[in-house]
Amino acid sequence: DQQVKQNSPSLSVQEGRISILNCDYTNSMFDYFLWYKKYPAEGPTFLISISSIKDKNEDGRFTVFLNKSAKHLSLHIVPSQPGDSAVYFCAASSWGFQKLVFGTGTRLLVSP
Amino acid sequence: NAGVTQTPKFQVLKTGQSMTLQCAQDMNHNSMYWYRQDPGMGLRLIYYSASEGTTDKGEVPNGYNVSRLNKREFSLRLESAAPSQTSVYFCASSEAPGNTGELFFGEGSRLTVL
Repeated sequence: DQQVKQNSPSLSVQEGRISILNCDYTNSMFDYFLWYKKYPAEGPTFLISISSIKDKNEDGRFTVFLNKSAKHLSLHIVPSQPGDSAVYFCAASSWGFQKLVFGTGTRLLVSP
Repeated sequence: NAGVTQTPKFQVLKTGQSMTLQCAQDMNHNSMYWYRQDPGMGLRLIYYSASEGTTDKGEVPNGYNVSRLNKREFSLRLESAAPSQTSVYFCASSEAPGNTGELFFGEGSRLTVL
């Protein structure tokens, strides 16, 4: 039972355009959501997070939107850069966090 | 700034052999985790240790054992390796349960079981 789903295995975008990565979850107990970025041969690194009391969080070029009623979140990257090419994992947890549940990842390719 | 260090980075085993993956963190974190990454499956939690002296099963614990040796070190052992355990293994740490949930990952250990 996949509690966190990323239905798009890959996404290709041109440099300077917006990248939108999507994530859906099924567990209504989740109240904290994170995005991680992973380059080949490296471990994932934390990118941005959002708690369920908010519907938007921005950090520079990265914005995460949360729609609790739809159990959906998205990561927007504007403008996209070639260095953003990586695999992006969505993750979720609940209060009193003991562990994160990760999605399957979306490979983003930003071409010059 | 070592962060989370995993050894070995690569290992090839034959079915039935045993091995231990080592993990150490120098950030004074309380919680440590072992994940595996497989194509199309994302990152799945094998075992975690919320604090020194405790360990708990994650989503896919079968075939593995762990030891929280001290606050810094958390090892993962495969007693009798199987081809289904071919994967990339990541160790991670975090400050404590109930925090922001940010995990710090090692670079990964690629294991192949023939």
